[in-house]
Amino acid sequence: SQQGEEDPQALSIQEGENATMNCSYKTSINNLQWYRQNSGRGLVHLILIRSNEREKHSGRLRVTLDTSKKSSSLLITASRAADTASYFCATDGLLMNRDDKIIFGKGTRLHILP
Amino acid sequence: EPEVTQTPSHQVTQMGQEVILRCVPISNHLYFYWYRQILGQKVEFLVSFYNNEISEKSEIFDDQFSVERPDGSNFTLKIRSTKLEDSAMYFCASSEYRVGSPLHFGNGTRLTVT
Repeated sequence: SQQGEEDPQALSIQEGENATMNCSYKTSINNLQWYRQNSGRGLVHLILIRSNEREKHSGRLRVTLDTSKKSSSLLITASRAADTASYFCATDGLLMNRDDKIIFGKGTRLHILP
Repeated sequence: EPEVTQTPSHQVTQMGQEVILRCVPISNHLYFYWYRQILGQKVEFLVSFYNNEISEKSEIFDDQFSVERPDGSNFTLKIRSTKLEDSAMYFCASSEYRVGSPLHFGNGTRLTVT
């Protein structure tokens, strides 16, 4: 299984601080994605990084990918109360495997303290 | 922005009953998925669907489950004889391409089996 595993499981930080979440996976991938989920809602796509990319930015988000270590990190800079949510990484399999599923990790619950 | 819609938002059913969960994916998307999430825990892949057939399914997706695209817009998940352990949030998602495009999720149907 290429399931991603995030750590930490839960993270509480003060508003304004940076939040870093990590994801490790098991098999080779085409892409890795990060999603956010507010309580009781659907997942919202944040950012996609391809296997040949090492870093990607989107606003206050920075994602890194290390395919040699099979790991990725999501950094949220200058956190805000509205960033309180669960964050999931998701991986898909190699194209040659015809792997038509995207597998999610268990998520990191981020709580921003006022 | 186009969105995935799911109905109903909450479904209560008795054990052994059949339920149908409905989804309207984004209109130009070609790939459709069902996921489930138990009590805010990990998001589990159930099935992917393309070109009017299942392209991949998980071990969870046993003979009690089926999916259908009965017309050009709806995508349904049927559970034939519900069990208590089927209680979960069920999320529908769609994507434009098989690889390298984000999943767009609906807000889910909360299924409660009593």
